[in-house]
Amino acid sequence: QVQLQESGPGLVKPSQTLSLTCTVSGGSISSGSYYWSWIRQPAGKGLEWIGRIYASGSTNYNPSLKSRVTISVDTYKNQFSLKLSSVTAADTAVYYCARTHNIQFDFWGQGTLVTVSS
Amino acid sequence: QSVLTQPPSVSGAPGQRVTISCTGSSSNIGAGFDVHWYQQLPGTAPKLLIYGNSYRPSGVPDRFSGSKSGTSASLAITGLQAEDEADYYCQSYDSSLSGVVFGGGTKLTVL
Repeated sequence: QVQLQESGPGLVKPSQTLSLTCTVSGGSISSGSYYWSWIRQPAGKGLEWIGRIYASGSTNYNPSLKSRVTISVDTYKNQFSLKLSSVTAADTAVYYCARTHNIQFDFWGQGTLVTVSS
Repeated sequence: QSVLTQPPSVSGAPGQRVTISCTGSSSNIGAGFDVHWYQQLPGTAPKLLIYGNSYRPSGVPDRFSGSKSGTSASLAITGLQAEDEADYYCQSYDSSLSGVVFGGGTKLTVL
């Protein structure tokens, strides 16, 4: 059973860069035809797809966030990462990482709350 | 404003049947892209409930079923149980936006 775990700072100052890592266990990030995605959810609101990466490094981003997002992968560590630059309070949310098969998200991390505040 | 439209809330008594609609457009559901459904219990991560419009992952009870027609999709829950009380989200792909899109979510209350 694949498991995913998000990690990173829970507090980021406005205008700085949010950085999170997702560690995958129970399977190789390089095996199978899977993408690996980031999704976020502001408190009390719905889900927003941020972007995804394939083991080869190929990426797709949400057009509304594309100018600020970078997703990278480290196959040796079985991890993938998210960087979101120039954050504001609107970026405060629970951030999830998820395995992506076709376009559905079949395994999710537990989520990590990131608060943007000075 | 979500690309996929869901009712904010639905409710039903234990044992009843409820449906949750998900309305899209010609650039997503109507374009033939699959619809997937997620269940999010309070304080937890979403869980894949239905994929490929109507398929259930292993372990999902057959009380949950999905369908798709035209530019809309539906999730049906029969034999409603207290533990079904959760938020439900539909998801698809939009060719105009070139990305994954979600519905705004529907809160199911079991009366």
